Parts: sequence; C-alpha cells; structure tokens
Amino acid sequence: AQSVTQLGSHVSVSEGALVLLRCNYSSSVPPYLFWYVQYPNQGLQLLLKYTTGATLVKGINGFEAEFKKSETSFHLTKPSAHMSDAAEYFCAVSESQGGSEKLVFGKGTKLTVNP
Amino acid sequence: DAGVTQSPTHLIKTRGQQVTLRCSPKSGHDTVSWYQQALGQGPQFIFQYYEEEERQRGNFPDRFSGHQFPNYSSELNVNALLLGDSALYLCASSRTTGLREKLFFGSGTQLSVL
Repeated sequence: AQSVTQLGSHVSVSEGALVLLRCNYSSSVPPYLFWYVQYPNQGLQLLLKYTTGATLVKGINGFEAEFKKSETSFHLTKPSAHMSDAAEYFCAVSESQGGSEKLVFGKGTKLTVNP
Repeated sequence: DAGVTQSPTHLIKTRGQQVTLRCSPKSGHDTVSWYQQALGQGPQFIFQYYEEEERQRGNFPDRFSGHQFPNYSSELNVNALLLGDSALYLCASSRTTGLREKLFFGSGTQLSVL
C-alpha cells in the first residue's frame, strides 16, 4: 500500500519568506502525486499534480513542486509567502485497485504566515 | 456551475444512531468518492461509486455503506454511530474512476457524535 509522510505538522514563516513544505512517499509503482490546500471550514482545493513528464510542476497561487524519484520526494515551494497562504496543506499519492484510483493523504502541514 | 454540493453542512447525533449524508457531483461528473477527515488528520478514503456500483473500498467497517443514484448523486450511510465517527466527511467527484482527471471536493459535512 502507498503511504505519504509530511515532515512537520506545523510550519511558520514570515510574509515574503520562502515556503517549503516537505513530502515523502512510498509507492511500488510510478505514482501520481498531488498537493491540496484546505482553508478553514472548506473542502480541498488542488494546488498541483504530477502524473508524467516534466518533474517540476507549477501550480496555482505561485506554488510549485518537484518530483524526485531517487529521493521519493515531492516537496512544495513558493518563493514569497503571502498572508493568504495560511492554510493546511496535504500531500497525496494515487493508489490503484481494480481499475479505479483513490488518494492516500499525508497527515497535513499547517502553514502560518506571520506579518 | 454549482460544483460539488454536500448536505447537511453540520450534523449532531448520539451514539448508536444512524446518519445519512448526501452529495451532488459537479455537472458532467459520473464518479463519486467519499473521504473521512478526523480532527488533525488527512482525509481517508471510504469508498468510490461509479455506474451505481461500489468500485473500491477503503479500510472501513460494514457500518459504512453508500449508494449512487441514476443522476450520479450519492449517499453515505453510517449505522450504529460511535464517538470515533466524529469527523468531516468529504465528497469528491470526477469524470472517471482514474485520477488523471481532476478531482473536485465539496466543503464537507461536519458530523459530531455525542
């Protein structure tokens, strides 16, 4: 079974600083990888995903992530944090069974942005 | 386009009761998946419905059951509620059972079991 580990349940950065959220996965086959964001009292919104091809994936709101197969990592970055980036972020990996696919999520990282 | 809609938004039940949660998928989507998100945890897959059949199931007991209707909407039923069933229940819809197509999530139903 696939699994996802997000290092750091809480990350705090200053406005304008680099955001780095770490994600490592285990998968027996080439996975699809995802980052989702969840604002308070809301559902999940897709930030970006990796399926195949270019390993550097650009997403919405200035976020990007790089798939590194040798390190089994898919870390999320943003060069300059905004106050509006404060939210919880979830890394996920796809898992296939019988022709359908599901998401396996990490436990999440809560991002705080300080003024 | 209304996106994925879930009802109710909040629900309070007592142990042993039964609950039904509802989900209407985004227009054009035929696949519905349900996830449970306990406090401080990531979402966990419950099951997926396509063509009115359960296609894949996560590690949840039989107390959790579902249904998909011909209009693709779906229900999640939980019997004999336990305190540990308190969670945010998320519905997600897509155009296929695979994940190459984007998955859209609803805002969830917050279930509290007292």
